[in-house]
Amino acid sequence: KNEVEQSPQNLTAQEGEFITINCSYSVGISALHWLQQHPGGGIVSLFMLSSGKKKHGRLIATINIQEKHSSLHITASHPRDSAVYICAVRSRIDNDMRFGAGTRLTVKP
Amino acid sequence: GAVVSQHPSWVICKSGTSVKIECRSLDFQATTMFWYRQFPKQSLMLMATSNEGSKATYEQGVEKDKFLINHASLTLSTLTVTSAHPEDSSFYICSARSPDRSPLHFGNGTRLTVT
Repeated sequence: KNEVEQSPQNLTAQEGEFITINCSYSVGISALHWLQQHPGGGIVSLFMLSSGKKKHGRLIATINIQEKHSSLHITASHPRDSAVYICAVRSRIDNDMRFGAGTRLTVKP
Repeated sequence: GAVVSQHPSWVICKSGTSVKIECRSLDFQATTMFWYRQFPKQSLMLMATSNEGSKATYEQGVEKDKFLINHASLTLSTLTVTSAHPEDSSFYICSARSPDRSPLHFGNGTRLTVT
């Protein structure tokens, strides 16, 4: 079992829909990152969380440390949001990064 | 905002040759840089962590003599794939972190094809 599990693996939505991507992890962490990888491969760090909730534009990220779970929400989704979203955690024990398999999001116009 | 520049963006080389990939932090000092590889349709895999002025820490299963990492300054880390083989063909990405522990900043990646 992977230490970082993401769901769903693939997600197709219509423009304007509310999107939720989930991430569960099994290790103690010092931080959790949500990353966005564009079709060309470039990666953007969307959020770094250690507790609570963060919002940036149409993106919202939440984390529940007790439940070892984080969600990434996209409101009013747009075709340009189509990308792979990756959850990554930094282990508190060995300080190593561990990555989820990614969620491929396609937003159709 | 902070920018990480990775070069080259793609490279094709012959089997047996060595390839160097550069990762530069353009407007901040990166005390720590990370190197990842990504096979098609798979997630990122951390290869090594490099700290300025010290030896890189490699993840289990990554050959340090094959993937040479040098982090000689606070703005530059290099990954050299030595004696490349076709199975080394992959997408290599670096990221950098500033001392204030702000979010990671990623390079745009280097697509390596070994023929």
